[in-house]
Amino acid sequence: AQRVTQPEKLLSVFKGAPVELKCNYSYSGSPELFWYVQYSRQRLQLLLRHISRESIKGFTADLNKGETSFHLKKPFAQEEDSAMYYCALSGRKAAGNKLTFGGGTRVLVKP
Amino acid sequence: DTAVSQTPKYLVTQMGNDKSIKCEQNLGHDTMYWYKQDSKKFLKIMFSYNNKELIINETVPNRFSPKSPDKAHLNLHINSLELGDSAVYFCASSPYSGETQYFGPGTRLLVL
Repeated sequence: AQRVTQPEKLLSVFKGAPVELKCNYSYSGSPELFWYVQYSRQRLQLLLRHISRESIKGFTADLNKGETSFHLKKPFAQEEDSAMYYCALSGRKAAGNKLTFGGGTRVLVKP
Repeated sequence: DTAVSQTPKYLVTQMGNDKSIKCEQNLGHDTMYWYKQDSKKFLKIMFSYNNKELIINETVPNRFSPKSPDKAHLNLHINSLELGDSAVYFCASSPYSGETQYFGPGTRLLVL
């Protein structure tokens, strides 16, 4: 079974402060991890995925297989980063790979 | 405009009615999905189709029936609507199963 846990439902930070969104996963095989973002009343969109190792909008995330984590970080939060963030896992071995989402973390960046 | 589109955007209906939500993607993807986002923003997969074939069917009441007339369309039909069906339903597609998914704008369903 695959499971994704985001322990924080809400993160409130001031503009310019660092922000870290925690994500832990449970999966027996080799996972593929994603972060999706949903701005207010908009569709979900991919923020980044671990295999691309990119920095998108200043966000980075590192897959730590030892700790089974894929935390999302940004050194200086901006007001436009206020949104709902979802960590997601795709298992590679099962037929019909599905995305399993965490419960989401709402980020509020205050001016 | 290449994208995943859904209609309608909003759907308000009475308990017991039957309704459909349509989804179309013009990205040339092989795999399509339906997700339900509840009032607490929890997102859960319902169904997945690959080239018109059902490949994922999570524990969903059989009042929900997906239909894929071709690989660019995946519609969701819901019979005998219940209050608990109120949610936002998202359609998504990916080039193939397990790849990055592209989401539609969502359909906000309210059952009264």
